[in-house]
Amino acid sequence: NAGVMQNPRHLVRRRGQEARLRCSPMKGHSHVYWYRQLPEEGLKFMVYLQKENIIDESGMPKERFSAEFPKEGPSILRIQQVVRGDSAAYFCASSSGQGAEQYFGPGTRLTVT
Amino acid sequence: GENVEQHPSTLSVQEGDSAVIKCTYSDSASNYFPWYKQELGKGPQLIIDIRSNVGEKKDQRIAVTLNKTAKHFSLHITETQPEDSAVYFCAASLVDDKIIFGKGTRLHILP
Repeated sequence: NAGVMQNPRHLVRRRGQEARLRCSPMKGHSHVYWYRQLPEEGLKFMVYLQKENIIDESGMPKERFSAEFPKEGPSILRIQQVVRGDSAAYFCASSSGQGAEQYFGPGTRLTVT
Repeated sequence: GENVEQHPSTLSVQEGDSAVIKCTYSDSASNYFPWYKQELGKGPQLIIDIRSNVGEKKDQRIAVTLNKTAKHFSLHITETQPEDSAVYFCAASLVDDKIIFGKGTRLHILP
């Protein structure tokens, strides 16, 4: 049973480019969460999605960041016009429902040059 | 909103000794408290969790305690081994599932 999958594992973008991060939840999970981790810090919640719905985006920056979880396919975290401050590890987690355990993927390490 | 404080930020213990990591939370509505272990270059791994209707939970060498009145919870690792070296995060969650993490404890197991 495959765990949470994220790709790419490493992503390098120049300032001003777009970054697309993908997350495939565990089999049977329909809830996806995105977190960001800066070096030497804990994880910060960004957004919580269910299929075709954004449930809570209170941790998302107001501009340049968006997330989706379509009916088919992986969840996508999109960062437009990246800046150096966007460099971080982005983790996706999935769960089977509200109140259930969240399991994390290996993360995507974004470097903005 | 919820705030989780974790200490110490770094902990070194001799192999075979016990390690204790302590956390506090601010929102009395939080009802789920997971602990994650993160190794270098990897995602956080859930190692144990406790819900607010339980005061203590144990799984082999790992135990977690929760004091709802004081809003404290702790992770205890006994008979530490080299493979326990990692960063450990405590966290708290409200019913809407947004997990709030502490800043982490880097645990070093000394030979």
